[in-house]
Amino acid sequence: DIQMTQSPSSLPASLGDRVTITCRASQDIGNYLRWFQQKPGKSPRLMIYGATNLAAGVPSRFSGSRSGSDYSLTINSLESEDMAIYYCLQHNEYPLTFGSGTKLEIK
Amino acid sequence: QVQLKETGPGLVQPTQTLSITCTVSGFSLTSYYMQWVRQTPGKGLEWMGFIRSGGSTEYNSEFKSRLSISRDTSKNQVFLKMNSLKTEDTGVYYCAREGRSDSYWGQGVMVTVSS
Repeated sequence: DIQMTQSPSSLPASLGDRVTITCRASQDIGNYLRWFQQKPGKSPRLMIYGATNLAAGVPSRFSGSRSGSDYSLTINSLESEDMAIYYCLQHNEYPLTFGSGTKLEIK
Repeated sequence: QVQLKETGPGLVQPTQTLSITCTVSGFSLTSYYMQWVRQTPGKGLEWMGFIRSGGSTEYNSEFKSRLSISRDTSKNQVFLKMNSLKTEDTGVYYCAREGRSDSYWGQGVMVTVSS
């Protein structure tokens, strides 16, 4: 199975900060990488698909990038509504696998 | 609009079978893959499997032969059945529709495996 190693597990940040979360894939997954946001008691929400494409309705302060087997989610100018847990998902190969999550919280 | 809603038992005894129904509206099951994802305290988010638009299925081998996904297109329902439940299967079970550039999830159903 493809392992998605996500870091950091916890990310304290201040409003207005620029933050980056990373997932490293254990095998080639091309651009078959999605980022989800999950708030307490809610279902995951798609933020980024195809590694770099913004999903509909997602603010432009969110962006995705890829460097080799490292995939990153960056949030520019953090807002209070961005506090959540973020997960990556690879869907290049079965079984699909998620990262372990990054909890973004106010410092 | 696209809607998905899971319904299930809430509490299941160990060794018993879990049955969850996902009722959808706003789209046709014959046009989209439908997947099941669970979220447990021990393993976080886990992809369980999906049923393709044509009706074939793909499963996570982690669940070996315990898992079955099926559907009734006339009722707009997708079904998850998993047998031989263990306490570690306690968690929230979601159905989801993953499109090429979008993703719709149900609210999830909490399942507790306990005697």
